[in-house]
Amino acid sequence: SQQGEEDPQALSIQEGENATMNCSYKTSINNLQWYRQNSGRGLVHLILIRSNEREKHSGRLRVTLDTSKKSSSLLITASRAADTASYFCATDGWRGKLIFGQGTELSVKP
Amino acid sequence: DAGITQSPRHKVTETGTPVTLRCHQTENHRYMYWYRQDPGHGLRLIHYSYGVKDTDKGEVSDGYSVSRSKTEDFLLTLESATSSQTSVYFCAISDRQGLGEQYFGPGTRLTVT
Repeated sequence: SQQGEEDPQALSIQEGENATMNCSYKTSINNLQWYRQNSGRGLVHLILIRSNEREKHSGRLRVTLDTSKKSSSLLITASRAADTASYFCATDGWRGKLIFGQGTELSVKP
Repeated sequence: DAGITQSPRHKVTETGTPVTLRCHQTENHRYMYWYRQDPGHGLRLIHYSYGVKDTDKGEVSDGYSVSRSKTEDFLLTLESATSSQTSVYFCAISDRQGLGEQYFGPGTRLTVT
């Protein structure tokens, strides 16, 4: 019942660079969410974008949604070492519950 | 972690023993969820609750039961633990049904030997 799938699985960049990760899904959605998980911690909600929205910003985060391509992207600008984490997209899944992708591991090197 | 605690944080148990994990919230959120996180599978929903004494099965509920006698507490029980239930378990809460934002606890790492 996999819905969102992140790409790439892993990404390594230098501090100050931008990081882009993508999420593709299979069926129509009501909204799509992005979460961050630091090593050994629980997930933290970052941003929610509704199906009728195309772009949303929160601080250094920019999320886009293209429902025609069934895809979303998360852009982190001017990345910092503290952004090192796994990032998950989540969207409509089993019986109207959230279903999470397997995540993108982002490593930001100082 | 948004007023959510999980206990214990780590547990090692033997195959066949019962195990109960506790999730406690101070946010008074109506909806509570139990997930397990495994490499290669991401997060999978085990059980969820819409309110006190109102629970339902998730995607991977076999071998698990839950109870919610108070708004703030959601218990996950493994009646007879198996090695396949070795995982990291997360509790999440939400004040919106189904597809709303969720707030996660710190997780419980369970090892079944």
